[in-house]
Amino acid sequence: DQQVKQNSPSLSVQEGRISILNCDYTNSMFDYFLWYKKYPAEGPTFLISISSIKDKNEDGRFTVFLNKSAKHLSLHIVPSQPGDSAVYFCAASAGSNDYKLSFGAGTTVTVRA
Amino acid sequence: NAGVMQNPRHLVRRRGQEARLRCSPMKGHSHVYWYRQLPEEGLKFMVYLQKENIIDESGMPKERFSAEFPKEGPSILRIQQVVRGDSAAYFCASSPQTGDNTIYFGEGSWLTVV
Repeated sequence: DQQVKQNSPSLSVQEGRISILNCDYTNSMFDYFLWYKKYPAEGPTFLISISSIKDKNEDGRFTVFLNKSAKHLSLHIVPSQPGDSAVYFCAASAGSNDYKLSFGAGTTVTVRA
Repeated sequence: NAGVMQNPRHLVRRRGQEARLRCSPMKGHSHVYWYRQLPEEGLKFMVYLQKENIIDESGMPKERFSAEFPKEGPSILRIQQVVRGDSAAYFCASSPQTGDNTIYFGEGSWLTVV
């Protein structure tokens, strides 16, 4: 059962423009959400997170928005840079089982020069 | 993901052989997790260990797979009698404690079963 879904397998964006990555979840027990970035043949790298008590968290060029009622979150990258080209995974966890992350299938972002 | 060390990075095994994947957590981290990524899928939780204890193995296949984190040395994920469907990337992660909410991944071990 896929509890975290990233429905867009890929995204192409012009350098300098905004990248918007979407993620939906089905488990109402999820209360912590993370985004990881992954380059080929490397492990996922933590990017940004948000707790369910917030609806927005910002870190430099990266902002994550959470809409609990819609069970939806998004990651905004602005401005997009060529080094942002990677696979982005949305992940979620619930309560005390915060180590048991449920991952989406990932969105491959390509930033065009 | 700097600091979580996995080896080997790439491993090729014939069907029926055993695969052993090793993971040394980041310095100061006592909690280790193993995840698996099958082709075209996201990472899936397999097992959570602390030193000498398996805390949660709810994501481990019931047969052929085992994990340990001994008092001394790295954590080991062991797959016996490998089959082609075991071909995947296996990622180890660590954290200093639960409740930290963020776990840090190693660079992965790619297992290919031929």
